[in-house]
Amino acid sequence: DAGVIQSPRHEVTEMGQEVTLRCKPISGHDYLFWYRQTMMRGLELLIYFNNNVPIDDSGMPEDRFSAKMPNASFSTLKIQPSEPRDSAVYFCASRLTGESSGANVLTFGAGSRLTVL
Amino acid sequence: LAKTTQPISMDSYEGQEVNITCSHNNIATNDYITWYQQFPSQGPRFIIQGYKTKVTNEVASLFIPADRKSSTLSLPRVSLSDTAVYYCLVGVPMDTGRRALTFGSGTRLQVQP
Repeated sequence: DAGVIQSPRHEVTEMGQEVTLRCKPISGHDYLFWYRQTMMRGLELLIYFNNNVPIDDSGMPEDRFSAKMPNASFSTLKIQPSEPRDSAVYFCASRLTGESSGANVLTFGAGSRLTVL
Repeated sequence: LAKTTQPISMDSYEGQEVNITCSHNNIATNDYITWYQQFPSQGPRFIIQGYKTKVTNEVASLFIPADRKSSTLSLPRVSLSDTAVYYCLVGVPMDTGRRALTFGSGTRLQVQP
């Protein structure tokens, strides 16, 4: 498996623009997580899905942020409108729940580095 | 949330053994301890997980005393490539509450030649 795939790897945009980050989880994984990492706040859990259904979005900073998972192989995190304080690295991770070897641990993507000017 | 406490940073030299301790005084009966490693410009990567006593894999060892209020990640004979941030998480492995998914500040390990 190619692992968790995120795109774009880097995005530079101007304040007020819409930003869409994409994630393809590992096939067969039943959970998908979106994290944000900054120097000041570290790794923050934004939202996570189980079998494509949002379970907990209490970490989403404000209404400008939204996330969807239309199917088991794709998720998006959207920021509209973007602001300079949204600049961060956004990570997607997936996880398989169960008893098998390798289950119940997070596998992260390489991240999407967002810069909002 | 289960709170973990780790040193902010550690320095070592190539070839030395490095021990990073994580304190988790309010660990619950069903909680496991999980460690992740994060290299610059990459996402965290799972290293090791344990419940009690000692767990060893090809990367590291994890020592957990009987009271389980702390744990120690041991990296044998570190190299420059072990320079990374190491995170300790506490929670029930199959749980998906925020408690089990929260990363603390981590320990930044710098290995010198």
